[in-house]
Amino acid sequence: KAGVTQTPRYLIKTRGQQVTLSCSPISGHRSVSWYQQTPGQGLQFLFEYFSETQRNKGNFPGRFSGRQFSNSRSEMNVSTLELGDSALYLCASSLDLARLYEQYFGPGTRLTVT
Amino acid sequence: AQSVTQLGSHVSVSEGALVLLRCNYSSSVPPYLFWYVQYPNQGLQLLLKYTSAATLVKGINGFEAEFKKSETSFHLTKPSAHMSDAAEYFCAVSSDSNYQLIWGAGTKLIIKP
Repeated sequence: KAGVTQTPRYLIKTRGQQVTLSCSPISGHRSVSWYQQTPGQGLQFLFEYFSETQRNKGNFPGRFSGRQFSNSRSEMNVSTLELGDSALYLCASSLDLARLYEQYFGPGTRLTVT
Repeated sequence: AQSVTQLGSHVSVSEGALVLLRCNYSSSVPPYLFWYVQYPNQGLQLLLKYTSAATLVKGINGFEAEFKKSETSFHLTKPSAHMSDAAEYFCAVSSDSNYQLIWGAGTKLIIKP
């Protein structure tokens, strides 16, 4: 079974721009969660999508948004990028809700904002 | 509200020594508890999880964790550390009353030769 894939793996953007990151979950998994990981703040939960519906949302500003498609693939978007958005963005998929089931993580997208 | 505390942002042990990574949680209802590991430049991987079946949970790579309700702890142990165990370890908690998985800050495990 193919693992969770994330594209692109690396991205450099300028302040004020917007960015879209993509995540393809493991086949059959219905839940996709997104996390931001930085050295200072650690691992922070962004949101979880389950069957195309946002089920949970972390404490991030509205500039961070996401969606999930009918094939469970997910995208997250960050608008008006700030320097502090530089981070590793991790996507994880699970069979069902992430709070109960094992999550399988992708390798992440390293976003650098200059 | 639920919370997770991992004691020690960095833990250093010698190769062959006991590994003990501490995790304490707060939850007013029976929790689900997880340990994940992140190797350098990789995503996270599940080590083990507790879902009330047995208090001593065995995971991959020789790790195990014991759920102690009276101490609200779920510490991760391994009898003998290997160089390949060097990674960051995350503890997480959820429950039927909380729709979100709550993550600890992580503990970096350093193995000395």
